[in-house]
Amino acid sequence: KAGVTQTPRYLIKTRGQQVTLSCSPISGHRSVSWYQQTPGQGLQFLFEYFSETQRNKGNFPGRFSGRQFSNSRSEMNVSTLELGDSALYLCASSLFSISTGTSTDTQYFGPGTRLTVL
Amino acid sequence: SQQGEEDPQALSIQEGENATMNCSYKTSINNLQWYRQNSGRGLVHLILIRSNEREKHSGRLRVTLDTSKKSSSLLITASRAADTASYFCATADYNNAGNMLTFGGGTRLMVKP
Repeated sequence: KAGVTQTPRYLIKTRGQQVTLSCSPISGHRSVSWYQQTPGQGLQFLFEYFSETQRNKGNFPGRFSGRQFSNSRSEMNVSTLELGDSALYLCASSLFSISTGTSTDTQYFGPGTRLTVL
Repeated sequence: SQQGEEDPQALSIQEGENATMNCSYKTSINNLQWYRQNSGRGLVHLILIRSNEREKHSGRLRVTLDTSKKSSSLLITASRAADTASYFCATADYNNAGNMLTFGGGTRLMVKP
């Protein structure tokens, strides 16, 4: 079974631009979460989507947004990029459990998209 | 914001030795998970321990959880050079219904051949 895939893997943008990152979860996974990793702040939760609905949101400004499609693929968008948005953006998915009607706890991470803002 | 601290921040050992990493957290949790990350790449899930469990094993990994002290430890026995990586603990908050994880700052482990 294919793992979580993220595209693009590397991205260079300039301040003020916007960017869209894509994540394809493992087949059968309905929960997709996004994390930002920087040397200074570490790994921080951005948001989680489950069945096309945002279920949780971290403490990030409104410039960060996301969505999930009916096939569980997810995108996140950052508008008006700032230098501090340079980071590794990680996507994770988790399996939908038929017995509990929700997602299981283990999250499977993709390789990440490394965004550099100049 | 990060859930807590990981200790030590960096650890250097010889191949064959055991490595112990500790994690502290602040809130009540549903579960605690350990992940490995190789050099700025994706995270690999290692083990999950639920709040009603005290110890769990997986291969050369042993995880303990002390909810009264809000702490956990990860022990890697008979380490190998391939274990060189950063290790992160992550907690799922008891009051959160989703899959939001709060990560610690990580321990950088170097295993020398």
